[in-house]
Amino acid sequence: EAGVTQSPTHLIKTRGQQATLRCSPISGHTSVYWYQQALGLGLQFLLWYDEGEERNRGNFPPRFSGRQFPNYSSELNVNALELEDSALYLCASSLFFGTGDTRYSPLHFGNGTRLTVT
Amino acid sequence: GNSVTQMEGPVTLSEEAFLTINCTYTATGYPSLFWYVQYPGEGLQLLLKATKADDKGSNKGFEATYRKETTSFHLEKGSVQVSDSAVYFCALSVRNSGNTPLVFGKGTRLSVIA
Repeated sequence: EAGVTQSPTHLIKTRGQQATLRCSPISGHTSVYWYQQALGLGLQFLLWYDEGEERNRGNFPPRFSGRQFPNYSSELNVNALELEDSALYLCASSLFFGTGDTRYSPLHFGNGTRLTVT
Repeated sequence: GNSVTQMEGPVTLSEEAFLTINCTYTATGYPSLFWYVQYPGEGLQLLLKATKADDKGSNKGFEATYRKETTSFHLEKGSVQVSDSAVYFCALSVRNSGNTPLVFGKGTRLSVIA
Protein backbone atom coordinates (compact mmCIF):
# COMPACT_ATOMS: atom_id res chain seq x y z
CA GLU A 1 0.00 0.00 0.00
CA ALA A 2 1.15 3.54 -0.66
CA GLY A 3 2.27 5.36 2.46
CA VAL A 4 1.53 8.88 3.59
CA THR A 5 2.82 11.32 1.02
CA GLN A 6 3.73 14.94 1.66
CA SER A 7 4.57 17.75 -0.71
CA PRO A 8 6.68 19.63 -1.28
CA THR A 9 9.74 17.98 0.24
CA HIS A 10 11.41 21.32 0.81
CA LEU A 11 9.96 24.81 0.92
CA ILE A 12 11.83 28.07 1.28
CA LYS A 13 9.92 31.23 2.13
CA THR A 14 10.72 34.66 3.41
CA ARG A 15 9.39 36.17 6.61
CA GLY A 16 5.82 37.42 6.27
CA GLN A 17 4.90 35.12 3.39
CA GLN A 18 2.42 32.26 3.49
CA ALA A 19 3.26 28.57 3.18
CA THR A 20 0.98 25.73 2.09
CA LEU A 21 1.90 22.15 2.84
CA ARG A 22 0.00 19.13 1.53
CA CYS A 23 -0.58 15.61 2.75
CA SER A 24 -2.23 12.53 1.28
CA PRO A 25 -3.13 9.83 3.82
CA ILE A 26 -2.98 6.10 3.43
CA SER A 27 -5.99 4.81 1.53
CA GLY A 28 -8.82 4.08 3.95
CA HIS A 29 -7.51 6.36 6.70
CA THR A 30 -9.87 9.17 7.63
CA SER A 31 -7.76 10.93 10.26
CA VAL A 32 -4.88 13.25 9.44
CA TYR A 33 -2.54 14.78 11.99
CA TRP A 34 0.02 17.54 11.63
CA TYR A 35 3.10 17.84 13.82
CA GLN A 36 5.92 20.36 13.92
CA GLN A 37 9.42 19.03 14.54
CA ALA A 38 11.68 21.94 15.36
CA LEU A 39 15.31 21.45 16.24
CA GLY A 40 15.67 20.49 19.88
CA LEU A 41 11.95 20.61 20.60
CA GLY A 42 10.77 17.17 19.60
CA LEU A 43 7.38 16.78 17.96
CA GLN A 44 4.71 19.32 18.79
CA PHE A 45 1.11 18.50 17.91
CA LEU A 46 -0.49 21.05 15.60
CA LEU A 47 -3.83 19.82 14.24
CA TRP A 48 -6.00 16.74 13.89
CA TYR A 49 -8.68 16.34 11.22
CA ASP A 50 -11.14 13.55 10.78
CA GLU A 51 -13.97 13.33 8.26
CA GLY A 52 -13.34 16.93 7.27
CA GLU A 53 -13.66 18.33 10.77
CA GLU A 54 -11.00 19.74 13.07
CA ARG A 55 -10.98 17.40 16.08
CA ASN A 56 -8.22 18.86 18.14
CA ARG A 57 -5.69 21.65 18.01
CA GLY A 58 -2.34 22.10 19.69
CA ASN A 59 -0.98 25.20 21.35
CA PHE A 60 -0.15 27.18 18.21
CA PRO A 61 -1.30 30.64 17.10
CA PRO A 62 -4.25 31.05 14.70
CA ARG A 63 -1.92 31.76 11.78
CA PHE A 64 -1.45 27.98 11.69
CA SER A 65 -4.56 26.58 10.05
CA GLY A 66 -5.58 23.77 7.83
CA ARG A 67 -8.35 21.80 6.27
CA GLN A 68 -9.24 18.31 5.17
CA PHE A 69 -10.79 17.63 1.81
CA PRO A 70 -13.53 15.09 0.94
CA ASN A 71 -10.86 12.65 -0.27
CA TYR A 72 -9.25 12.94 3.21
CA SER A 73 -6.14 14.71 1.96
CA SER A 74 -5.16 17.75 3.96
CA GLU A 75 -3.47 21.13 3.74
CA LEU A 76 -1.58 22.99 6.41
CA ASN A 77 -1.37 26.75 5.93
CA VAL A 78 1.01 28.98 7.83
CA ASN A 79 0.40 32.71 7.41
CA ALA A 80 2.69 35.60 8.24
CA LEU A 81 5.72 33.32 8.46
CA GLU A 82 8.23 33.94 11.21
CA LEU A 83 11.82 32.74 11.38
CA GLU A 84 10.97 30.35 14.22
CA ASP A 85 8.49 28.55 11.97
CA SER A 86 11.46 26.90 10.28
CA ALA A 87 11.02 23.21 11.02
CA LEU A 88 10.15 19.81 9.63
CA TYR A 89 6.38 19.46 9.35
CA LEU A 90 5.18 15.89 9.61
CA CYS A 91 1.82 14.58 8.56
CA ALA A 92 0.41 11.30 9.84
CA SER A 93 -2.75 9.35 9.13
CA SER A 94 -4.72 6.68 10.93
CA LEU A 95 -8.10 5.05 11.19
CA PHE A 96 -10.47 6.56 13.71
CA PHE A 97 -12.90 4.35 15.61
CA GLY A 98 -14.84 7.12 17.27
CA THR A 99 -14.74 9.07 20.50
CA GLY A 100 -14.60 6.79 23.49
CA ASP A 101 -13.52 3.73 21.52
CA THR A 102 -10.45 2.29 23.21
CA ARG A 103 -9.05 0.61 20.13
CA TYR A 104 -5.87 2.15 18.88
CA SER A 105 -4.94 2.68 15.25
CA PRO A 106 -1.23 3.39 14.84
CA LEU A 107 -0.20 6.66 13.25
CA HIS A 108 1.62 6.31 9.95
CA PHE A 109 3.92 9.21 9.19
CA GLY A 110 5.07 10.78 5.96
CA ASN A 111 8.65 11.89 5.41
CA GLY A 112 7.80 15.51 6.08
CA THR A 113 8.15 18.93 4.49
CA ARG A 114 11.21 20.90 5.48
CA LEU A 115 10.13 24.56 5.75
CA THR A 116 12.87 27.17 5.87
CA VAL A 117 11.96 30.78 6.58
CA THR A 118 14.62 33.37 5.76
CA GLY B 1 -1.71 17.26 31.73
CA ASN B 2 -0.11 14.57 29.65
CA SER B 3 3.64 14.59 29.10
CA VAL B 4 6.57 12.35 28.28
CA THR B 5 10.12 12.73 29.51
CA GLN B 6 12.91 10.73 27.93
CA MET B 7 16.63 10.73 28.46
CA GLU B 8 18.54 13.28 26.50
CA GLY B 9 21.00 12.15 23.93
CA PRO B 10 22.96 11.71 22.01
CA VAL B 11 23.73 8.16 22.98
CA THR B 12 26.77 6.59 21.34
CA LEU B 13 27.33 2.85 21.61
CA SER B 14 29.57 0.28 20.06
CA GLU B 15 28.03 -2.48 17.99
CA GLU B 16 26.63 -5.35 20.12
CA ALA B 17 26.38 -3.16 23.24
CA PHE B 18 23.27 -3.14 25.44
CA LEU B 19 20.87 -0.26 24.96
CA THR B 20 18.53 1.40 27.44
CA ILE B 21 16.64 4.60 26.70
CA ASN B 22 14.63 5.78 29.69
CA CYS B 23 11.11 7.12 29.32
CA THR B 24 8.70 8.27 32.04
CA TYR B 25 5.29 9.78 31.67
CA THR B 26 2.50 11.66 33.39
CA ALA B 27 -1.03 11.12 32.20
CA THR B 28 -4.60 11.96 33.10
CA GLY B 29 -6.47 8.76 32.47
CA TYR B 30 -5.19 5.45 31.15
CA PRO B 31 -2.47 5.85 28.54
CA SER B 32 -1.27 3.60 25.80
CA LEU B 33 2.50 3.87 25.35
CA PHE B 34 4.60 3.76 22.21
CA TRP B 35 8.10 3.93 20.88
CA TYR B 36 8.59 5.44 17.44
CA VAL B 37 11.84 5.48 15.47
CA GLN B 38 12.98 8.03 12.92
CA TYR B 39 15.76 6.95 10.57
CA PRO B 40 17.78 9.68 8.83
CA GLY B 41 15.74 11.51 6.21
CA GLU B 42 12.54 9.62 6.96
CA GLY B 43 9.33 10.06 8.90
CA LEU B 44 8.51 8.26 12.13
CA GLN B 45 7.73 4.56 12.24
CA LEU B 46 5.97 2.75 15.03
CA LEU B 47 8.50 0.45 16.71
CA LEU B 48 6.41 -1.08 19.48
CA LYS B 49 3.48 -0.40 21.77
CA ALA B 50 1.82 -1.43 25.01
CA THR B 51 -1.78 -0.64 25.82
CA LYS B 52 -2.09 -1.66 29.48
CA ALA B 53 -0.02 -2.05 32.62
CA ASP B 54 2.56 -4.87 32.58
CA ASP B 55 2.24 -5.32 28.83
CA LYS B 56 5.54 -5.83 27.04
CA GLY B 57 5.91 -4.51 23.52
CA SER B 58 8.60 -6.00 21.32
CA ASN B 59 9.83 -5.68 17.75
CA LYS B 60 13.15 -6.12 15.91
CA GLY B 61 14.90 -7.11 19.14
CA PHE B 62 13.68 -4.03 21.01
CA GLU B 63 11.52 -4.39 24.11
CA ALA B 64 9.70 -2.09 26.51
CA THR B 65 7.48 -2.92 29.49
CA TYR B 66 4.62 -0.67 30.63
CA ARG B 67 5.28 -0.11 34.35
CA LYS B 68 2.35 1.69 35.93
CA GLU B 69 3.92 1.77 39.41
CA THR B 70 6.92 3.71 38.15
CA THR B 71 5.12 5.41 35.23
CA SER B 72 7.86 4.22 32.92
CA PHE B 73 8.28 2.60 29.51
CA HIS B 74 12.04 2.15 29.05
CA LEU B 75 13.31 0.91 25.69
CA GLU B 76 15.91 -1.87 25.69
CA LYS B 77 17.84 -3.92 23.18
CA GLY B 78 20.38 -6.56 24.05
CA SER B 79 22.76 -6.06 21.13
CA VAL B 80 22.58 -2.98 18.95
CA GLN B 81 23.65 -2.80 15.33
CA VAL B 82 24.89 0.08 13.21
CA SER B 83 21.54 0.00 11.40
CA ASP B 84 19.80 0.92 14.69
CA SER B 85 21.28 4.42 14.49
CA ALA B 86 18.25 6.71 14.53
CA VAL B 87 16.22 9.00 16.75
CA TYR B 88 13.86 7.24 19.15
CA PHE B 89 10.69 8.86 20.46
CA CYS B 90 8.60 7.75 23.40
CA ALA B 91 4.93 8.71 23.14
CA LEU B 92 1.61 8.27 24.85
CA SER B 93 -2.03 8.44 23.93
CA VAL B 94 -4.79 8.78 26.49
CA ARG B 95 -7.77 7.02 25.02
CA ASN B 96 -10.48 8.18 27.36
CA SER B 97 -9.82 11.90 27.24
CA GLY B 98 -11.31 12.90 23.92
CA ASN B 99 -8.93 10.91 21.79
CA THR B 100 -6.00 13.17 22.47
CA PRO B 101 -3.44 12.70 19.72
CA LEU B 102 -0.05 11.29 20.54
CA VAL B 103 2.12 13.26 22.94
CA PHE B 104 5.82 12.76 22.19
CA GLY B 105 9.00 13.08 24.16
CA LYS B 106 11.82 15.15 22.70
CA GLY B 107 13.58 12.17 21.17
CA THR B 108 16.89 10.46 21.86
CA ARG B 109 19.46 10.21 19.12
CA LEU B 110 21.31 6.90 19.05
CA SER B 111 24.56 6.44 17.15
CA VAL B 112 26.01 2.94 16.90
CA ILE B 113 29.61 2.65 15.76
CA ALA B 114 31.22 -0.44 14.31
